[in-house]
Amino acid sequence: AQSVAQPEDQVNVAEGNPLTVKCTYSVSGNPYLFWYVQYPNRGLQFLLKYITGDNLVKGSYGFEAEFNKSQTSFHLKKPSALVSDSALYFCAVRDMDSNYQLIWGAGTKLIIKP
Amino acid sequence: DTGVSQDPRHKITKRGQNVTFRCDPISEHNRLYWYRQTLGQGPEFLTYFQNEAQLEKSRLLSDRFSAERPKGSFSTLEIQRTEQGDSAMYLCASSLGPDRVGPEQFFGPGTRLTVL
Repeated sequence: AQSVAQPEDQVNVAEGNPLTVKCTYSVSGNPYLFWYVQYPNRGLQFLLKYITGDNLVKGSYGFEAEFNKSQTSFHLKKPSALVSDSALYFCAVRDMDSNYQLIWGAGTKLIIKP
Repeated sequence: DTGVSQDPRHKITKRGQNVTFRCDPISEHNRLYWYRQTLGQGPEFLTYFQNEAQLEKSRLLSDRFSAERPKGSFSTLEIQRTEQGDSAMYLCASSLGPDRVGPEQFFGPGTRLTVL
């Protein structure tokens, strides 16, 4: 069965430090992977996606994600965290048995402390 | 604001009542999606439209749920005979095709439903 896992419910990082939000996946075939962010009282916002090509994908707000096929991971990273990065982050993978459905992780709450 | 809008933002209803939510997608987007999200979970797919055609519907979606997109623009999601388990945030998203991969989706702010 296809699935996405975000192993950490919450990640705490000090402002200015690098951050990583983890995501692993299980799909048949080549994965199409996405990261979205959800700020309080606001809709989900697209950050970045991996389709093919370079394993390091750059996205919005200075975020990037590294695709690792051997580890079936797609971790979200940022070199220097900002307090304003505090939000809920979701990893998702295209459901290959469906037309454009996404399979979503449960989300990771990122807290950046000043 | 040219983003996805949803109305109402909050709805409180009594068990057994019917409710209807509206979604206005980004104007040039031909694809529209409905999701449900409960606390601590990622979005759960409900249904998907391409233009006015409803192409997919989750197997988990009860017959009490129905969605329409009559002119390929705005969409409505109706829940009949609401139950307390229907309490959730209902999200609408839109995207522009064609894109075989699955284009990025633009989400509205959601409608929070509370069933008493």
